[in-house]
Amino acid sequence: KAGVTQTPRYLIKTRGQQVTLSCSPISGHRSVSWYQQTPGQGLQFLFEYFSETQRNKGNFPGRFSGRQFSNSRSEMNVSTLELGDSALYLCASSLPAASMNTGELFFGEGSRLTVL
Amino acid sequence: AQKVTQAQTEISVVEKEDVTLDCVYETRDTTYYLFWYKQPPSGELVFLIRRNSFDEQNEISGRYSWNFQKSTSSFNFTITASQVVDSAVYFCALSEAGGAAGNKLTFGGGTRVLVKP
Repeated sequence: KAGVTQTPRYLIKTRGQQVTLSCSPISGHRSVSWYQQTPGQGLQFLFEYFSETQRNKGNFPGRFSGRQFSNSRSEMNVSTLELGDSALYLCASSLPAASMNTGELFFGEGSRLTVL
Repeated sequence: AQKVTQAQTEISVVEKEDVTLDCVYETRDTTYYLFWYKQPPSGELVFLIRRNSFDEQNEISGRYSWNFQKSTSSFNFTITASQVVDSAVYFCALSEAGGAAGNKLTFGGGTRVLVKP
């Protein structure tokens, strides 16, 4: 069974640019969550999508957005990049329970974004 | 607001020693879940355990054991007879239980475990 796949794995951008990261969940998983990991702030929840709808959102500015497609694949976008956006962005998928959360997340290896 | 504190930033042990990772949490929720995840150098977090706030029984899985004490808001993790492969960063996490919470986890800062041969 294939795991969570994130692309690209590494990317370098400059301030002011925008970036789109992609996540393919485990087959059959309908929930996709995104987390940002930085040395200073640690792991922080960005948002979660379930059945193409945003179910939860963390405390990030509107420059951070996401979406989920009908095949459960998800993308997140960061516009007007700032130096502080440099981070490892982790995507996680979970079992398709609609009425409950399990917290048992299956993570990808992440997309490491460097903003210069 | 939820908060998870892992006071130990790094622990170094020699192989076969036991190592205990501390986790203290804060929440106003009456029902919640507690978790431990492992992050090896490759980057992906690996789920280790979930504990429901109603279940205070300790759990053992192979060389891993967990001690949940609601009275002290702690959920500690012990690796017995550590091995080099246990070297990783370990995260404790907390989430509200219930559908509305989704899969929003609050993570602690992590504890880096280095097991030397």
